Parts: sequence; C-alpha cells; structure tokens
Amino acid sequence: AQRVTQPEKLLSVFKGAPVELKCNYSYSGSPELFWYVQYSRQRLQLLLRHISRESIKGFTADLNKGETSFHLKKPFAQEEDSAMYYCALSGGGGSNYKLTFGKGTLLTVNP
Amino acid sequence: ETGVTQSPTHLIKTRGQQVTLRCSSQSGHNTVSWYQQALGQGPQFIFQYYREEENGRGNFPPRFSGLQFPNYSSELNVNALELDDSALYLCASSSYRGFATNEKLFFGSGTQLSVL
Repeated sequence: AQRVTQPEKLLSVFKGAPVELKCNYSYSGSPELFWYVQYSRQRLQLLLRHISRESIKGFTADLNKGETSFHLKKPFAQEEDSAMYYCALSGGGGSNYKLTFGKGTLLTVNP
Repeated sequence: ETGVTQSPTHLIKTRGQQVTLRCSSQSGHNTVSWYQQALGQGPQFIFQYYREEENGRGNFPPRFSGLQFPNYSSELNVNALELDDSALYLCASSSYRGFATNEKLFFGSGTQLSVL
C-alpha cells in the first residue's frame, strides 16, 4: 500500500528564516515523489518532482530512500511562499497512474 | 492554451440523489484523473481515464463512475449520494505518452459538492 505522511498540519516561520516541510512515505517499490502547492485562491499545481532534481522558487527536495523521506526545503522563506503544500507519491510499474497525497502542511511566512 | 475547467463550481444535493460533474481537459491532454478532497484531507484518487477507457481506479465503490469523451472531456457520476460524499472534487488532466513515470498533472479548480 502507498502512504504519505506530512506530520505538520501547520508551520509558521518568519521571512528570511529557513523552512523545511516534512514528508515521509511508505511504498515497497521505487516511488516517484512530488510536491504540489496551492496558493490562496489558486488551483493545485506542481512545484517540483524528485526525478527532475530541480530547484523551483528556491525550493529543493531530496529523496532519501533509507529514511523514506522527501522533505521540502528553502533556505530563506518569503511571504509569497505562504500556501498549502502537499507531498505526493506515484508508484512505479502498474500503479503509476495515481498519486497518493499527504494531508498537507499550511505554511505561513510572517513579515 | 486553455486550462482545465470544471462545472459546476458548487452543487447541493440530498442523500440518495445522483450527480454528474464535468471536466474539460487542458488542450492537448489525453488523460484525465478525478480526485476527491474531503475537508482537511489531501486529494484522494478516484479513477483515471485514458483514451476513453478506465486506466486505473482507487478505493471507491462502483456507484462512482466516469466517462471520457473523444474530445477528452470527462464526467464523474455518483449515484445514491451519501452524506460522506460531501467534498471538493478535482479533475486533473495530463498527457500520457506511454512512459512509466507519472506525467505532470494540471488541476481544475474543483466542484464543491454538499450532500444534505
């Protein structure tokens, strides 16, 4: 079974501070991991995916298979980063058609 | 390039009724997925359609059914509505090209369904 856990429902930081949104997963095969973001009054959109190894809006995420984690990090948070963040997993092979989402973390960046 | 559009935006039904939700995929996309998002939860996969056929299904009962049309638009039908069906229903389109990895999903704004 696929499972994604985001232990923090709410996370509040000050502008300029580092931020880390935690994500742990459970999957027996080789998963593909994603971070999706939803800004206020906007639709859910892809932020980044681990296979791309990219940095989007200053965010990075490293897949740690040993710890089954895919934490999202940014060294200096900005007010415009305030949003709902969802970690998601896609299984390989025959189950690659669906995403399993975590419950999300609401990030608030205070001025 | 038009994005994913869903209709209606809000809907109120009573228990036992049937409902149809609609989705127009982003231009050029051949795959549509439906997700249910209950309050305070992440989206939960219902099913996916690729070239008018169901390509995978989540843990939802048969009273949740779908269709994909030749123009790649889609419908989600729910029969015998229950109170727990109250949720935001999200449609997402993507362009599946036969690769093993999941292609980027483009989400609609959703239909908020309330069952009384």
